[in-house]
Amino acid sequence: GESVGLHLPTLSVQEGDNSIINCAYSNSASDYFIWYKQESGKGPQFIIDIRSNMDKRQGQRVTVLLNKTVKHLSLQIAATQPGDSAVYFCAVPEKFGNQFYFGTGTSLTVIP
Amino acid sequence: GAGVSQTPSNKVTEKGKYVELRCDPISGHTALYWYRQSLGQGPEFLIYFQGTGAADDSGLPNDRFFAVRPEGSVSTLKIQRTERGDSAVYLCASSASSGTVYNEQFFGPGTRLTVL
Repeated sequence: GESVGLHLPTLSVQEGDNSIINCAYSNSASDYFIWYKQESGKGPQFIIDIRSNMDKRQGQRVTVLLNKTVKHLSLQIAATQPGDSAVYFCAVPEKFGNQFYFGTGTSLTVIP
Repeated sequence: GAGVSQTPSNKVTEKGKYVELRCDPISGHTALYWYRQSLGQGPEFLIYFQGTGAADDSGLPNDRFFAVRPEGSVSTLKIQRTERGDSAVYLCASSASSGTVYNEQFFGPGTRLTVL
């Protein structure tokens, strides 16, 4: 199976700064990656995804970078806002399967 | 509906009791997933339905856990002879996926189960 891990369990940033959350995966055959945001008392919410044929994908204030050589991906949040405070998970699905493997999450706290 | 809903939002039960957790997926979504999330951990896959059938139940921890989706919409996760270790948030997600391509999973708010 897949193993997914985040580098830091907690991260604190000043409002307006950029945030970077990192994730490592174990299966070099993984071809799809997702970042989720989970606020307290809520289910995970899709933020952005990336396929293995891309190195970078941008959304609104978020960018995901994928380095397949070292099996690492990162989520960058620009101009971090208090509403970005949440736990962030990276998830990797089984290839053509139904199971998604989630990391343990990074808790982001934005300091006003 | 507007999103995935789960009931109850909280369930407290005693060790050894039977519980049922309900999930209402987004209308028209054929795929439904159950996950379990322990404190400080990411969601852990339990079971996946495609329509009415359980296409993958490899994540169910033991035979005390069972789930059904009789009409291909609402699903119920059933736990028999609950144990304290079953305490967790149980998440449901649905997607329009056929199971062979990756489609976004929409999660419900979860049911927090506490076994005393």
